Amino acid sequence: QKEVEQNSGPLSVPEGAIASLNCTYSDRGSQSFFWYRQYSGKSPELIMFIYSNGDKEDGRFTAQLNKASQYVSLLIRDSQPSDSATYLCAALSLTSGTYKYIFGTGTRLKVLA
Amino acid sequence: DTGVSQDPRHKITKRGQNVTFRCDPISEHNRLYWYRQTLGQGPEFLTYFQNEAQLEKSRLLSDRFSAERPKGSFSTLEIQRTEQGDSAMYLCASNPGTGNTEAFFGQGTRLTVV
Repeated sequence: QKEVEQNSGPLSVPEGAIASLNCTYSDRGSQSFFWYRQYSGKSPELIMFIYSNGDKEDGRFTAQLNKASQYVSLLIRDSQPSDSATYLCAALSLTSGTYKYIFGTGTRLKVLA
Repeated sequence: DTGVSQDPRHKITKRGQNVTFRCDPISEHNRLYWYRQTLGQGPEFLTYFQNEAQLEKSRLLSDRFSAERPKGSFSTLEIQRTEQGDSAMYLCASNPGTGNTEAFFGQGTRLTVV
């Protein structure tokens, strides 16, 4: 069973702090990894994706990938109350010619004003 | 709006009734996915289409569930003899089918079975 695991939280950080969200995956064949933000009652929206080892930065967001440790993380700098949401980690897995996104349960982030 | 479109946005049905949801993917996206999400959980994979071919179905998709994508464009998901456990958000996503790109999600259909 291919899995993506996340701590469900909630993770509480003060406004302006760095929020660190983590994710591990079991399928070594996974090729790409995605971070989605999901507000309550809404559908997931993409924050970032990463497929190479190392860091990838986009504005206040930095994604980190370590394939040897099967570990993905998302850092949010200068956290804002509007960042309060559930953050979903997803791995793109290729099995028998099928590309499938495997999601974790999500980490709920609370940014305290 | 050129995003993924789902209809209806909300559906309340009585237990035992059949329901059908529709998804219109982004134009020329040949991969289409259906996911189900319950409160506090991440999206769970249900099924996947490459053009009109249904390439994979999750074991979560019992024989009461059927999905189609007849012309490789829009897709429908039907649930027969609904049960209270079917209450969830049903999400559709599409992908252009080239490279390791992200899935673009629709707004979802929230199903409540009473």
